[in-house]
Amino acid sequence: NAGVTQTPKFQVLKTGQSMTLQCAQDMNHEYMSWYRQDPGMGLRLIHYSVGAGITDQGEVPNGYNVSRSTTEDFPLRLLSAAPSQTSVYFCASSYSIQGAYEQYFGPGTRLTVT
Amino acid sequence: AQKITQTQPGMFVQEKEAVTLDCTYDTSDPSYGLFWYKQPSSGEMIFLIYQGSYDQQNATEGRYSLNFQKARKSANLVISASQLGDSAMYFCAMRGHNQGGKLIFGQGTELSVKP
Repeated sequence: NAGVTQTPKFQVLKTGQSMTLQCAQDMNHEYMSWYRQDPGMGLRLIHYSVGAGITDQGEVPNGYNVSRSTTEDFPLRLLSAAPSQTSVYFCASSYSIQGAYEQYFGPGTRLTVT
Repeated sequence: AQKITQTQPGMFVQEKEAVTLDCTYDTSDPSYGLFWYKQPSSGEMIFLIYQGSYDQQNATEGRYSLNFQKARKSANLVISASQLGDSAMYFCAMRGHNQGGKLIFGQGTELSVKP
């Protein structure tokens, strides 16, 4: 049971490039989310999904796309990278036990846009 | 809109002493959940404790307890018998009613445990 996995762990992009951050979970969790963490700040929600085929925007969705074709995978696409997207990106999955919805986080992807 | 406020950017505590990390929240949802996560310098997010808004008792998990005061909208984390390994960032977070994939985080408190 690998939990939540993210690839790559580190990435450097040039402004204007596009890329996809991969996220997978093997716990059959219905909910998956993407967050970004900027230096000295808490996590901010980018997009989330409540099940395969269903996604919605979080606090900071601009510049990012997501899709959820399977329960296991939830990739995050950067359409045209900008220096403001330099951040650490966390993917998380969760399920409900009596409403707890505890979120399990992946190890993070550190992205630098130059 | 939901909001989490952590007013202590940094805290120091002596090893083996207890420490309280403050968290206040704002929501209009009838039910909600409150979480605390630990982020050590290695960067991973570690779940510590959960409190549901309708739970009658304050949550406890080992050395962690959550001092939940619903009327004051506060959810402070208490760490008893601090250890050097407790030095980390601590984040308070909230999810609203039926919002399983959505957590709103505070800005965090950096805790340093002194030997």
